[in-house]
Parts: sequence; structure tokens; C-alpha cells
Amino acid sequence: ETGVTQTPRHLVMGMTNKKSLKCEQHLGHNAMYWYKQSAKKPLELMFVYNFKEQTENNSVPSRFSPECPNSSHLFLHLHTLQPEDSALYLCASSQEGSGVIYEQYFGPGTRLTVT
Amino acid sequence: AQKITQTQPGMFVQEKEAVTLDCTYDTSDPSYGLFWYKQPSSGEMIFLIYQGSYDQQNATEGRYSLNFQKARKSANLVISASQLGDSAMYFCAIAGNQGGKLIFGQGTELSVKP
Repeated sequence: ETGVTQTPRHLVMGMTNKKSLKCEQHLGHNAMYWYKQSAKKPLELMFVYNFKEQTENNSVPSRFSPECPNSSHLFLHLHTLQPEDSALYLCASSQEGSGVIYEQYFGPGTRLTVT
Repeated sequence: AQKITQTQPGMFVQEKEAVTLDCTYDTSDPSYGLFWYKQPSSGEMIFLIYQGSYDQQNATEGRYSLNFQKARKSANLVISASQLGDSAMYFCAIAGNQGGKLIFGQGTELSVKP
């Protein structure tokens, strides 16, 4: 596998379910990100992990719980979601260094539908 | 705070012609980077091109070039010789030098006509 992979690609879940999204990067990067893309809206940054440490939580509701066990893997645990949480969830990774800006590489996304 | 504005919700271009997608930005960071991404209907965000705020020359990458006008705070994407496969959403984004957070614009939907 190369680049950034995400599983599952599609997910339908009820409001009482618990599910997890998985992201894996094969680029040797040290930072990983979760973004949410709702219909007709720009991408919204949710979480940032740098060297496995969470450095950004963009006021995301607690029903979304991220986990970063190492620099290559990132999870998003979902529970008690609402229909308005239906969206495309994109994972990205990049190399991070002090004062240097690097491009982010994205996975194919998980299209989530909450019923 | 950083902000990206893309004023063209949709654009049409004839195959083989050039097209310019507009992007203006606002930032208080002295150092920043500007990015363009392509998002086909499959959903994946594909990195196209990057321009650093201190770069003296406009970035180019194959058929993509970035028309960077720092004083006007604009970073327009120029696609030359459009192809049918260029039909997609295009997003402009900005990042400061503090942790790599990307702020995206609303996007422009480009349709290439045969």
C-alpha cells in the first residue's frame, strides 16, 4: 500500500451504534489530521496529531473521539452520532517541522451516513 | 486568523483551452503557504501545487501554475490545455507556519466541455 489509506470507504450507522474509522499513512510523516466535509461546505479541520500527541481539537463534540497509537495510524471513534454528522471524513498526513510548511496528503475518505 | 475566498462556485472551459480559478486570502502570519487541491467525484483530495509566501517565482507543476500576487493577496490557479479529466472541485487552502493547519476555501467546480 502507498500513500494514505482509509477504511471503511462507506459506512451507514444508526444513532445508537459505535463504530471506528481507520487511517494509515505509508509516507513516513509525523503529523496526521482528521477533516470533515459536509455537502456544499469547505473542509473543516477536526483534530491534529503531531508525533502521536494531539495538538489541535477544533471544538469537536465529544461523540467524536480520536486515537493515534503511533505516527502511522489514526482512528476516529464514533458513538451516539446525529444525522447532521453525515459527511465525508478525510484523513491526511504531512511532515511537520518548526517553521517549515509542508503539503498534506489525503486519503480517499470515508463517506458516513447516520440514520 | 486565516481565511480563503473562492468567488467562483462553478466554471466551464472548453477542452484544450486554459482556465484561471480565483483565490484570495487573508492572514496575519508573516510566513505562510498556499495550496491548491483537486477533488474528483470519488472524494479524494489530490495535492496539485504549493506556493510559499517568500518564494520569488510563481510555482509551476506540469499544466498547473500559480499566479501569486502577494500585494493583492491572490493566488490564482491556471490550468493550461484543459482535459476532460480536469473536471472536478478545486480547493485553495492556506497554512501558517504554526502546526500545518490547512484552512480551505469553498471550492470551485470546474467542468471541461468536449
